[in-house]
Amino acid sequence: AQTIHQWPVAEIKAVGSPLSLGCTIKGKSSPNLYWYWQATGGTLQQLFYSITVGQVESVVQLNLSASRPKDDQFILSTEKLLLSHSGFYLCAWSRQGSSYEQYFGPGTRLTVL
Amino acid sequence: AQSVDQPDAHVTLSEGASLELRCSYSYSAAPYLFWYVQYPGQSLQFLLKYITGDTVVKGTKGFEAEFRKSNSSFNLKKSPAHWSDSAKYFCALEVLASSSFSKLVFGQGTSLSVVP
Repeated sequence: AQTIHQWPVAEIKAVGSPLSLGCTIKGKSSPNLYWYWQATGGTLQQLFYSITVGQVESVVQLNLSASRPKDDQFILSTEKLLLSHSGFYLCAWSRQGSSYEQYFGPGTRLTVL
Repeated sequence: AQSVDQPDAHVTLSEGASLELRCSYSYSAAPYLFWYVQYPGQSLQFLLKYITGDTVVKGTKGFEAEFRKSNSSFNLKKSPAHWSDSAKYFCALEVLASSSFSKLVFGQGTSLSVVP
């Protein structure tokens, strides 16, 4: 069975500080990987996707970047946090191709003060 | 433009009643549609999807959804509802974002409260 793990579970950071969030998927080779952001009480907004190691495409620009250093790892980062970065960050995976459902990780709750 | 609309931000109903959460979409191609559920403080869980074929699809937790091309809807149903169904429900549409990639467009979500 596939498992998806995100770290950290929660972060409280200062405006202007750097950030790195991680996601690991086990039990599935060559998955599509995704990063989403969810404002408190809001809907989900897709940020990035990756279909292979070393390749990441941006969907929405929010002064964030992403990388996929290994087949099973997806990293979200920024050098300078903004207040607007607060929210719930979710990593997801799916099988390659279309019409496949996405499976979400437990998420990281970020508070920027 | 591609979009998903969930017109009911909040729905409250009594335990044992039938629930139906509304979802409509706008997309020029054949739609792939999904429902997800988010329990308070948790991540999203996949419930069901419509790709093609039977217009009534069954999913996990006793949910089913009906695809209606005539009015571009994909409503989620369950009967009877249980207090444990209280959660936020998201409808999503898969759209072609590039020649090699599709992305999910989510609706605003419907918060469901099932009261005893």
